[in-house]
Amino acid sequence: DQQVKQNSPSLSVQEGRISILNCDYTNSMFDYFLWYKKYPAEGPTFLISISSIKDKNEDGRFTVFLNKSAKHLSLHIVPSQPGDSAVYFCAARNSGGSNYKLTFGKGTLLTVNP
Amino acid sequence: DAGVIQSPRHEVTEMGQEVTLRCKPISGHDYLFWYRQTMMRGLELLIYFNNNVPIDDSGMPEDRFSAKMPNASFSTLKIQPSEPRDSAVYFCASSFNRGYGYTFGSGTRLTVV
Repeated sequence: DQQVKQNSPSLSVQEGRISILNCDYTNSMFDYFLWYKKYPAEGPTFLISISSIKDKNEDGRFTVFLNKSAKHLSLHIVPSQPGDSAVYFCAARNSGGSNYKLTFGKGTLLTVNP
Repeated sequence: DAGVIQSPRHEVTEMGQEVTLRCKPISGHDYLFWYRQTMMRGLELLIYFNNNVPIDDSGMPEDRFSAKMPNASFSTLKIQPSEPRDSAVYFCASSFNRGYGYTFGSGTRLTVV
């Protein structure tokens, strides 16, 4: 039972255009969401996050949007650059109780073409 | 800071052999996580520790898998006996005081033939 779903295994965009990566979740107890970026042969690295009390968080070219009613979040990259080509993982945390762990989606491979 | 250090980077072993993966978390981090990445299941949490104590091992696939954290600077994930379906990339990550993000190691790519 996948609680965090990234339904697009891959996405290809042109350099300079917007990349939009989507993520859906099912657990209403999730209250913190993160995006990680992963290059080949490296571990995932933290990119940007958002608390459930917000609907938008921006950091340079990266913006994450959260729609709680739809249980949906998205990562926007504007403008996209070839160096952004990587696998992007969406992750969610249930902060309730004493259990502290991140649940990850399967990832979306983004390819930015020059 | 050298980050989270995992060894070995690659491991090829024969079915039935014991495999031990190692992890050194970032100094001062009090949470340590073991994840496994496969094409089918993505990144799945196997087990995590807080202050060297296992907190949640519900993701450990079966009794063939075991993990220990004898001190704050070292953890192992052991598979005995290994099977071809255990082939995956295994990541260790650490975090500070319920921090909002993990720092991952570079992973160990395990191939069981």
